[in-house]
Amino acid sequence: DSGVTQTPKHLITATGQRVTLRCSPRSGDLSVYWYQQSLDQGLQFLIQYYNGEERAKGNILERFSAQQFPDLHSELNLSSLELGDSALYFCASSPVGGRRGYTFGSGTRLTVV
Amino acid sequence: AQSVTQLGSHVSVSEGALVLLRCNYSSSVPPYLFWYVQYPNQGLQLLLKYTSAATLVKGINGFEAEFKKSETSFHLTKPSAHMSDAAEYFCAVSDSGAQKLVFGQGTRLTINP
Repeated sequence: DSGVTQTPKHLITATGQRVTLRCSPRSGDLSVYWYQQSLDQGLQFLIQYYNGEERAKGNILERFSAQQFPDLHSELNLSSLELGDSALYFCASSPVGGRRGYTFGSGTRLTVV
Repeated sequence: AQSVTQLGSHVSVSEGALVLLRCNYSSSVPPYLFWYVQYPNQGLQLLLKYTSAATLVKGINGFEAEFKKSETSFHLTKPSAHMSDAAEYFCAVSDSGAQKLVFGQGTRLTINP
């Protein structure tokens, strides 16, 4: 157990739907990162939050949004889902930035049918 | 922008043989470099990290990596492969703001009995 908790582990949904992925960071970590892993794109950085505020943004689609709550857990919202959104979504956390590396959760596997 | 290139998407070695996974980086600032391992259906686990201290970095499971600035490389080695080392390995570099990590495309390591 890495200390980063992601729920759900698996999600199957239809095109056009909206889903919410949840992440609880490791105790004491203030930064949360979201990554998408797919066979063709590899590990793509989506977005980072630090202590409730957006800190960095990557290749995140407009249909996707995220937030970090006062208790530091984070949610990634994916809407108007397309088949191509099927992927593994990872959450990671770190005390501050990425200088010392992240701790990853075990991921949410999203399948859009 | 920071980037990493992993040479070889797939490496196959015999059990007991030397493991060498190659990573070259591009960074406009002194880099922080990382190797992560991903076992099937799991998240990424930090193997080792270089943060400008010793150039030879020892990690978990008998792996080590050497930072070579002149070659902009951070190759991962293990003297003797074990069947349990079969996994996907990712090299990563922190971005210039030491916020997010930028990952390579990954190298799948197969161990032959």
